[in-house]
Amino acid sequence: DTEVTQTPKHLVMGMTNKKSLKCEQHMGHRAMYWYKQKAKKPPELMFVYSYEKLSINESVPSRFSPECPNSSLLNLHLHALQPEDSALYLCASSLQGFNEKLFFGSGTQLSVL
Amino acid sequence: GQQVMQIPQYQHVQEGEDFTTYCNSSTTLSNIQWYKQRPGGHPVFLIQLVKSGEVKKQKRLTFQFGEAKKNSSLHITATQTTDVGTYFCAGRGPGANNLFFGTGTRLTVIP
Repeated sequence: DTEVTQTPKHLVMGMTNKKSLKCEQHMGHRAMYWYKQKAKKPPELMFVYSYEKLSINESVPSRFSPECPNSSLLNLHLHALQPEDSALYLCASSLQGFNEKLFFGSGTQLSVL
Repeated sequence: GQQVMQIPQYQHVQEGEDFTTYCNSSTTLSNIQWYKQRPGGHPVFLIQLVKSGEVKKQKRLTFQFGEAKKNSSLHITATQTTDVGTYFCAGRGPGANNLFFGTGTRLTVIP
């Protein structure tokens, strides 16, 4: 199994909603990432978990809250988002860190109304 | 902060023509990776280069890492319609805890 699975594929939410994005991998990878990608732009790093501990937070607003329940799962909790947060949210994993290739999930296309 | 620029931003080629995208970093890189993202898809890893002056080939794709480890290139020989997509380089500075993605080059192949 060399896949990173993300759910849901599409999400529409209002600015007062609370929702969660989910990511799962069964490759035994110990580094997991959340990226945000706007249309026609490169992916931008949001968070890095290394061995289930948050190791990098790229100054992301607190309305985004990551969680790593175990080594296979990564969640991104969303609350009180703004329309400008609409983007493709990509989860990725790698064996241990940035020295190895990243495996990306297919992403969640998020629209905030 | 570290910046990774790619040129060109867009490239339209006739099928069968060659294509090259260039990646330039403002700082020396420990390694550089290349990813391909098809329209509507997600980035897919192509290759990683680590050594100064390294050249790697994958079928019609040739990847180079500059001697100063601040630039890289991807060359595709005889493009095919399956090569359509955006090609991103991604580099990591020494001791850096981030992989900075380049601005990307969007390739269109005209049949």
